[in-house]
Order: sequence, then C-alpha cells, then structure tokens
Amino acid sequence: DVKVTQSSRYLVKRTGEKVFLECVQDMDHENMFWYRQDPGLGLRLIYFSYDVKMKEKGDIPEGYSVSREKKERFSLILESASTNQTSMYLCASSLSRDITYEQYFGPGTRLTVT
Amino acid sequence: AQSVTQLDSQVPVFEEAPVELRCNYSSSVSVYLFWYVQYPNQGLQLLLKYLSGSTLVESINGFEAEFNKSQTSFHLRKPSVHISDTAEYFCAVSDLGGNKLVFGAGTILRVKS
Repeated sequence: DVKVTQSSRYLVKRTGEKVFLECVQDMDHENMFWYRQDPGLGLRLIYFSYDVKMKEKGDIPEGYSVSREKKERFSLILESASTNQTSMYLCASSLSRDITYEQYFGPGTRLTVT
Repeated sequence: AQSVTQLDSQVPVFEEAPVELRCNYSSSVSVYLFWYVQYPNQGLQLLLKYLSGSTLVESINGFEAEFNKSQTSFHLRKPSVHISDTAEYFCAVSDLGGNKLVFGAGTILRVKS
C-alpha cells in the first residue's frame, strides 16, 4: 500500500513564526502536492512538484514556499505565519506513469496560528 | 480552466435510504472525473473515477457515478446507505494531462439511524 505521512497531525504556531510542514511518501512517486482544505471551499492547490528540485505554483501560492530536495520528501514552508493560514493542510502524491492519475493523500496537518 | 460545483453542502439521510450527491463541472477540454471520500479525521481516499469507456462507474462499497457529457455532470449515487458511509465526499476534475486536480467544495453525507 502507498503510504503518505505528514510530520504532525496538529500544530499550533504564533503569528510571524516560520513553519515547516513535512510530507514523506514511500512509493517512489514523482509527483507531490500540497493542498489547503477549508470548510465550504474544498481543497485548493498551493504548490506541486513533478520531480526533485522542481516546483510549480498552484492556485493559492501566496505566503507559502516549498522544498523538494529528495524524491520522497516535499516540504511546505510558511515564511511568516499569519492567522489566515489557520487551516488543514493535506499532502498527496501520484505516479507520473500511472494513467489512472490517482492521488494518494496523507492524513493531514491541522495548523492553528494564534 | 476547470471548475467543479457540488450543489449540496450537506445531505442528511436515514440508514438504508437511497442517496444522490450532485456534481457539475465546467471545462473547455475533455476531462477525467473523480470522487474522493474523507472519513472523520482521515485523509482523502479515491472512491471511483471516470477516465473513458462506460459512462457508469462503480466502487467496491456500492457507490456508482454516471458521467453525463451533455449535462457536464458526474453525480454519485448509492441505493442504500449505511451509517459507515457518513463522511465528506469531494468531486474532482482533471484535464487529460491528469496530474492536477480541481476539487469541489465537498458534500457532507450524514447517515442517521
């Protein structure tokens, strides 16, 4: 089974702090994604990566950056956390060669910024 | 660009009753369609998908969805729901490149005994 793990289930940070959210997948997937989930808005794509050291902006990249130094790990960085970044963050991965395009999701990190 | 509209934010239903969760999409290109399910305190899991071929697709736990190109819809149905089906359901669309998904806002299905 594909496993996508996220470093924390719950995280509380203060406004202005630098925040790192880590995601690791164990199935050698090329593609990795970071989404933000808010009630009534569904999932919105923040950033994604098709390969090591490659990244592309999604629909809501402002206030976020990412890092992919190794194929299995994709980090989301909040340079200076703000209260409007309080949300559930979901990481996902998929295989480029997989014509079913299924994305596999981690359990999520619920981030609260106070 | 694609977009997805899930017409109901919450659907309450009694156990063993039928249910339909509605999804409409807009796109200027051919698309793939997906339904994902999120059980409480968990990540999303793929429920079923339409890529090509038969317009009626089924999941292993009794859900089905029908792709209707003329109405740009992909509604999810189950003839008899169980308490364990209580979850949030997300409809998603991707273009034929496939790698990026656009999600709807989600529908919370609450099954009551």
